Amino acid sequence: SQQGEEDPQALSIQEGENATMNCSYKTSINNLQWYRQNSGRGLVHLILIRSNERENHSGRLRVTLDTSKKSSSLLITASRAADTASYFCATMVTQGGSEKLVFGKGMKLTVNP
Amino acid sequence: EAGVAQSPRYKIIEKRQSVAFWCNPISGHATLYWYQQILGQGPKLLIQFQNNGVVDDSQLPKDRFSAERLKGVDSTLKIQPAKLEDSAVYLCASSFALWATNEKLFFGSGTQLSVL
Repeated sequence: SQQGEEDPQALSIQEGENATMNCSYKTSINNLQWYRQNSGRGLVHLILIRSNERENHSGRLRVTLDTSKKSSSLLITASRAADTASYFCATMVTQGGSEKLVFGKGMKLTVNP
Repeated sequence: EAGVAQSPRYKIIEKRQSVAFWCNPISGHATLYWYQQILGQGPKLLIQFQNNGVVDDSQLPKDRFSAERLKGVDSTLKIQPAKLEDSAVYLCASSFALWATNEKLFFGSGTQLSVL
């Protein structure tokens, strides 16, 4: 079952603009991760935020987490055409005594040159 | 560092036929995952191994799907017999730690399966 839900489902922006995508989830988590998937390829890990963290940065990426609202946001600053891809949030949850990474449905980002 | 290797890249079969996918994780990675990604959706976990033991296979359709990870390295995922709804990309991923806490996953490029 998919726990995370990204919003918006699609976003189109101009190169140089910032892109913000949101993720809402339902159950308690151990951490939340964001992945990127280029068309026809596998997923690539972007950034991770632990459940006891509120914000994390990596290069042009900034992720925030609000556990009280069960939501996260990913900000990509100064976007580039190469950022065009599908983005997925994934929550690490404990189920049945084991930890598993559960992905959302994803959102499609288009960065126009 | 070599990534996660998967083969074949594409596979087309007719319904009721069988098919097998192969995955070689990153060297030293203890945990291996098989995900199914249907077009337009996020990946769904089918099975998770730690070394050669199964940690989670709760979403694996065991009447037709099977997976093994002999010697705790390579893994194969088999579908027998295939149904139309099995058309999807099958992604293999691996992570370093025995337990997945705060670990990121490394994905292969996937096998795109079309069942006709």
